[in-house]
Amino acid sequence: DAGVIQSPRHEVTEMGQEVTLRCKPISGHNSLFWYRQTMMRGLELLIYFNNNVPIDDSGMPEDRFSAKMPNASFSTLKIQPSEPRDSAVYFCASHLGLAEAPQYFGPGTRLTVL
Amino acid sequence: AQKITQTQPGMFVQEKEAVTLDCTYDTSDQSYGLFWYKQPSSGEMIFLIYQGSYDEQNATEGRYSLNFQKARKSANLVISASQLGDSAMYFCAMREGRAKAAGNKLTFGGGTRVLVKP
Repeated sequence: DAGVIQSPRHEVTEMGQEVTLRCKPISGHNSLFWYRQTMMRGLELLIYFNNNVPIDDSGMPEDRFSAKMPNASFSTLKIQPSEPRDSAVYFCASHLGLAEAPQYFGPGTRLTVL
Repeated sequence: AQKITQTQPGMFVQEKEAVTLDCTYDTSDQSYGLFWYKQPSSGEMIFLIYQGSYDEQNATEGRYSLNFQKARKSANLVISASQLGDSAMYFCAMREGRAKAAGNKLTFGGGTRVLVKP
Protein backbone atom coordinates (compact mmCIF):
# COMPACT_ATOMS: atom_id res chain seq x y z
CA ASP A 1 0.00 0.00 0.00
CA ALA A 2 1.16 3.50 -0.72
CA GLY A 3 2.06 5.59 2.27
CA VAL A 4 1.62 9.32 2.62
CA ILE A 5 2.88 11.05 -0.49
CA GLN A 6 4.37 14.53 -0.46
CA SER A 7 5.60 16.71 -3.26
CA PRO A 8 7.95 18.21 -4.02
CA ARG A 9 10.62 16.49 -1.94
CA HIS A 10 12.89 19.50 -2.19
CA GLU A 11 12.05 23.11 -2.96
CA VAL A 12 14.44 26.00 -3.29
CA THR A 13 12.91 29.40 -3.81
CA GLU A 14 13.68 33.05 -3.37
CA MET A 15 12.29 35.28 -0.68
CA GLY A 16 8.93 36.71 -1.64
CA GLN A 17 7.90 33.84 -3.88
CA GLU A 18 4.83 31.71 -3.31
CA VAL A 19 5.45 28.12 -2.27
CA THR A 20 2.89 25.31 -2.42
CA LEU A 21 3.48 21.98 -0.73
CA ARG A 22 1.27 19.03 -1.54
CA CYS A 23 0.15 15.95 0.35
CA LYS A 24 -1.82 12.83 -0.45
CA PRO A 25 -2.84 10.94 2.72
CA ILE A 26 -3.24 7.21 3.06
CA SER A 27 -6.52 6.11 1.58
CA GLY A 28 -9.18 5.69 4.25
CA HIS A 29 -7.49 7.91 6.81
CA ASN A 30 -9.76 10.66 8.02
CA SER A 31 -7.29 13.04 9.67
CA LEU A 32 -4.40 14.93 8.12
CA PHE A 33 -1.69 16.88 9.91
CA TRP A 34 0.91 19.40 8.71
CA TYR A 35 4.12 19.73 10.76
CA ARG A 36 7.24 21.83 10.44
CA GLN A 37 10.63 20.64 11.71
CA THR A 38 13.60 22.90 12.39
CA MET A 39 16.69 22.50 14.50
CA MET A 40 15.70 25.39 16.72
CA ARG A 41 12.03 24.59 17.31
CA GLY A 42 11.84 20.85 16.76
CA LEU A 43 8.66 19.34 15.37
CA GLU A 44 5.72 21.74 15.44
CA LEU A 45 2.13 21.03 14.50
CA LEU A 46 0.88 23.70 12.12
CA ILE A 47 -2.68 22.61 11.37
CA TYR A 48 -4.80 19.50 11.20
CA PHE A 49 -7.93 18.45 9.37
CA ASN A 50 -10.56 15.88 10.13
CA ASN A 51 -12.86 14.75 7.32
CA ASN A 52 -11.43 17.60 5.24
CA VAL A 53 -12.40 20.25 7.79
CA PRO A 54 -9.71 22.29 9.59
CA ILE A 55 -9.93 21.50 13.30
CA ASP A 56 -6.99 23.34 14.83
CA ASP A 57 -4.85 25.92 13.03
CA SER A 58 -3.38 27.49 16.15
CA GLY A 59 0.11 26.44 15.10
CA MET A 60 0.06 28.30 11.81
CA PRO A 61 2.72 30.94 12.34
CA GLU A 62 1.27 33.85 10.42
CA ASP A 63 -1.18 34.90 7.78
CA ARG A 64 1.41 34.10 5.17
CA PHE A 65 0.62 30.42 5.78
CA SER A 66 -2.59 28.81 4.59
CA ALA A 67 -3.72 25.22 4.20
CA LYS A 68 -6.57 23.58 2.36
CA MET A 69 -8.01 20.13 2.02
CA PRO A 70 -10.45 20.18 -0.88
CA ASN A 71 -11.08 16.44 -0.73
CA ALA A 72 -10.13 13.35 1.24
CA SER A 73 -7.12 12.58 -0.91
CA PHE A 74 -5.37 15.92 -1.24
CA SER A 75 -4.11 18.79 0.87
CA THR A 76 -1.92 21.82 0.25
CA LEU A 77 0.14 24.08 2.46
CA LYS A 78 0.87 27.44 0.92
CA ILE A 79 3.32 30.11 1.99
CA GLN A 80 2.92 33.50 0.37
CA PRO A 81 5.22 35.41 0.45
CA SER A 82 7.98 33.10 1.62
CA GLU A 83 10.78 34.28 3.90
CA PRO A 84 14.18 32.76 4.76
CA ARG A 85 12.94 31.84 8.26
CA ASP A 86 10.39 29.53 6.65
CA SER A 87 13.24 27.22 5.64
CA ALA A 88 12.46 23.87 7.27
CA VAL A 89 11.30 20.35 6.57
CA TYR A 90 7.52 20.20 6.25
CA PHE A 91 5.84 16.91 7.02
CA CYS A 92 2.35 15.74 6.28
CA ALA A 93 0.90 12.89 8.35
CA SER A 94 -2.38 11.01 8.20
CA HIS A 95 -4.34 9.09 10.81
CA LEU A 96 -7.02 6.45 10.76
CA GLY A 97 -8.96 7.85 13.72
CA LEU A 98 -8.46 4.97 16.13
CA ALA A 99 -6.99 5.59 19.59
CA GLU A 100 -4.04 3.24 19.28
CA ALA A 101 -3.33 4.03 15.65
CA PRO A 102 -0.24 6.12 14.98
CA GLN A 103 0.05 9.02 12.66
CA TYR A 104 1.85 7.96 9.50
CA PHE A 105 4.25 10.51 8.13
CA GLY A 106 5.17 11.35 4.59
CA PRO A 107 8.81 11.71 3.54
CA GLY A 108 8.72 15.47 4.05
CA THR A 109 9.47 18.46 1.85
CA ARG A 110 12.74 20.24 2.50
CA LEU A 111 12.12 23.92 1.83
CA THR A 112 14.95 26.39 1.42
CA VAL A 113 14.09 30.06 1.02
CA LEU A 114 17.02 32.17 -0.13
CA ALA B 1 5.45 23.53 31.15
CA GLN B 2 6.74 21.05 28.63
CA LYS B 3 4.23 18.35 27.85
CA ILE B 4 6.89 15.87 26.74
CA THR B 5 10.44 15.97 28.05
CA GLN B 6 13.32 13.99 26.64
CA THR B 7 16.30 14.86 28.80
CA GLN B 8 19.00 13.05 26.81
CA PRO B 9 19.95 15.10 23.75
CA GLY B 10 22.34 12.42 22.55
CA MET B 11 23.86 9.12 23.55
CA PHE B 12 26.23 6.45 22.37
CA VAL B 13 25.56 2.74 22.65
CA GLN B 14 27.71 -0.22 21.78
CA GLU B 15 26.38 -2.53 19.13
CA LYS B 16 24.46 -5.50 20.57
CA GLU B 17 23.87 -3.73 23.87
CA ALA B 18 20.53 -2.41 25.14
CA VAL B 19 19.76 1.28 25.42
CA THR B 20 17.04 3.12 27.32
CA LEU B 21 15.71 6.43 26.10
CA ASP B 22 13.94 8.55 28.68
CA CYS B 23 10.59 10.24 28.21
CA THR B 24 8.51 12.00 30.84
CA TYR B 25 5.16 13.56 30.17
CA ASP B 26 2.78 15.96 31.79
CA THR B 27 -0.98 15.65 31.55
CA SER B 28 -3.97 15.86 33.83
CA ASP B 29 -6.00 13.56 31.59
CA GLN B 30 -6.64 9.99 32.75
CA SER B 31 -6.86 8.73 29.19
CA TYR B 32 -3.92 9.36 26.89
CA GLY B 33 -1.60 7.59 24.50
CA LEU B 34 2.17 7.56 24.15
CA PHE B 35 4.03 6.95 20.91
CA TRP B 36 7.65 6.57 19.92
CA TYR B 37 8.98 7.45 16.49
CA LYS B 38 12.38 6.95 14.88
CA GLN B 39 13.88 9.45 12.46
CA PRO B 40 16.99 8.16 10.67
CA SER B 41 19.34 10.48 8.83
CA SER B 42 17.26 10.04 5.69
CA GLY B 43 14.58 12.11 7.42
CA GLU B 44 11.43 10.02 7.45
CA MET B 45 9.46 9.55 10.67
CA ILE B 46 8.89 5.88 11.46
CA PHE B 47 6.36 4.73 14.05
CA LEU B 48 7.84 2.26 16.54
CA ILE B 49 5.51 1.53 19.43
CA TYR B 50 2.37 2.66 21.25
CA GLN B 51 1.27 2.54 24.90
CA GLY B 52 -2.23 3.44 26.05
CA SER B 53 -2.68 4.88 29.52
CA TYR B 54 -5.03 2.08 30.49
CA ASP B 55 -2.84 -0.69 29.12
CA GLU B 56 -1.75 -2.84 32.02
CA GLN B 57 1.10 -4.51 30.17
CA ASN B 58 4.13 -2.71 28.86
CA ALA B 59 4.04 -2.55 25.08
CA THR B 60 6.55 -4.57 23.11
CA GLU B 61 7.31 -4.66 19.40
CA GLY B 62 10.23 -6.80 18.36
CA ARG B 63 13.39 -5.31 19.85
CA TYR B 64 11.47 -2.31 21.15
CA SER B 65 9.74 -2.24 24.50
CA LEU B 66 8.21 0.52 26.50
CA ASN B 67 8.88 0.82 30.22
CA PHE B 68 5.65 2.52 31.28
CA GLN B 69 5.57 3.89 34.81
CA LYS B 70 2.27 5.70 35.10
CA ALA B 71 2.74 7.08 38.62
CA ARG B 72 6.03 8.63 37.60
CA LYS B 73 4.62 9.76 34.25
CA SER B 74 7.42 8.15 32.34
CA ALA B 75 7.40 6.09 29.17
CA ASN B 76 10.96 5.07 28.44
CA LEU B 77 11.84 3.24 25.23
CA VAL B 78 14.15 0.27 25.52
CA ILE B 79 15.96 -0.95 22.43
CA SER B 80 17.50 -4.36 22.94
CA ALA B 81 20.47 -5.77 21.03
CA SER B 82 21.30 -2.48 19.30
CA GLN B 83 22.18 -2.58 15.64
CA LEU B 84 24.04 -0.05 13.52
CA GLY B 85 20.77 0.74 11.78
CA ASP B 86 19.31 1.94 15.07
CA SER B 87 21.42 5.10 14.82
CA ALA B 88 18.78 7.82 14.53
CA MET B 89 16.78 10.48 16.36
CA TYR B 90 14.03 9.10 18.57
CA PHE B 91 10.94 11.09 19.46
CA CYS B 92 8.42 10.50 22.21
CA ALA B 93 4.90 11.86 21.59
CA MET B 94 1.63 12.04 23.51
CA ARG B 95 -2.03 12.15 22.59
CA GLU B 96 -3.91 13.77 25.47
CA GLY B 97 -7.41 12.75 26.33
CA ARG B 98 -9.51 10.06 24.79
CA ALA B 99 -9.19 9.41 21.11
CA LYS B 100 -11.60 11.68 19.34
CA ALA B 101 -13.45 11.18 16.15
CA ALA B 102 -12.52 14.76 15.25
CA GLY B 103 -8.80 14.09 15.18
CA ASN B 104 -6.04 13.20 17.58
CA LYS B 105 -3.30 15.75 18.00
CA LEU B 106 0.16 14.63 19.12
CA THR B 107 2.69 16.65 21.09
CA PHE B 108 6.30 15.69 20.45
CA GLY B 109 9.36 15.87 22.65
CA GLY B 110 12.65 17.34 21.52
CA GLY B 111 14.14 13.98 20.64
CA THR B 112 17.21 11.94 21.58
CA ARG B 113 19.95 11.21 19.09
CA VAL B 114 21.34 7.68 19.35
CA LEU B 115 24.61 6.62 17.77
CA VAL B 116 25.38 2.92 17.76
CA LYS B 117 29.09 2.15 17.80
CA PRO B 118 30.43 -1.01 16.14
